[in-house]
Amino acid sequence: DTAVSQTPKYLVTQMGNDKSIKCEQNLGHDTMYWYKQDSKKFLKIMFSYNNKELIINETVPNRFSPKSPDKAHLNLHINSLELGDSAVYFCASSPGQLARGYTFGSGTRLTVV
Amino acid sequence: TQLLEQSPQFLSIQEGENLTVYCNSSSVFSSLQWYRQEPGEGPVLLVTVVTGGEVKKLKRLTFQFGDARKDSSLHITAAQPGDTGLYLCAGPSGNTGKLIFGQGTTLQVKP
Repeated sequence: DTAVSQTPKYLVTQMGNDKSIKCEQNLGHDTMYWYKQDSKKFLKIMFSYNNKELIINETVPNRFSPKSPDKAHLNLHINSLELGDSAVYFCASSPGQLARGYTFGSGTRLTVV
Repeated sequence: TQLLEQSPQFLSIQEGENLTVYCNSSSVFSSLQWYRQEPGEGPVLLVTVVTGGEVKKLKRLTFQFGDARKDSSLHITAAQPGDTGLYLCAGPSGNTGKLIFGQGTTLQVKP
């Protein structure tokens, strides 16, 4: 059973489109995250939810909007996609807010053309 | 601002060689974690070190947390092609669960 699953794995889309990435975890963790990995492999946090409540919102354009319908799901919607949004987006979860080990999904490679 | 700097950024070695990867900061961390990421996959947690001076071993991998809790190292003995991947160190920032990551060390082990 996959612990943290993201869909889709690959996403190729044109500039200006709106797209969503879905994430689900079956670990019973309270906290979920979205991270962005750039072309140099640097991982940077975007958002974090704890039990459906937004607790971290880094400096991310308003075009990015996370939604957590329940503590097992955290989706990411992106409006008006730009070339610079091309990256690998990772969902992760952890058992609380004390930065214990994360369990990552396998990533969504977004390419904006 | 807390930063983690890893060195080297790239390492290409022959099977059987030993290597050490470093993770340094000017800030004190309550703990540090090491992850390995393979192409097309997400990072996988290898270890968490919590106590200054702590040494943890995972088969051929040895992890050390500096006495002052500002740095950590990962030593691999007799590297194998299966060790190839991106190694990331990470540490907590604040009390919200946020992890900050180093820029990673790409390791290639040639047979």
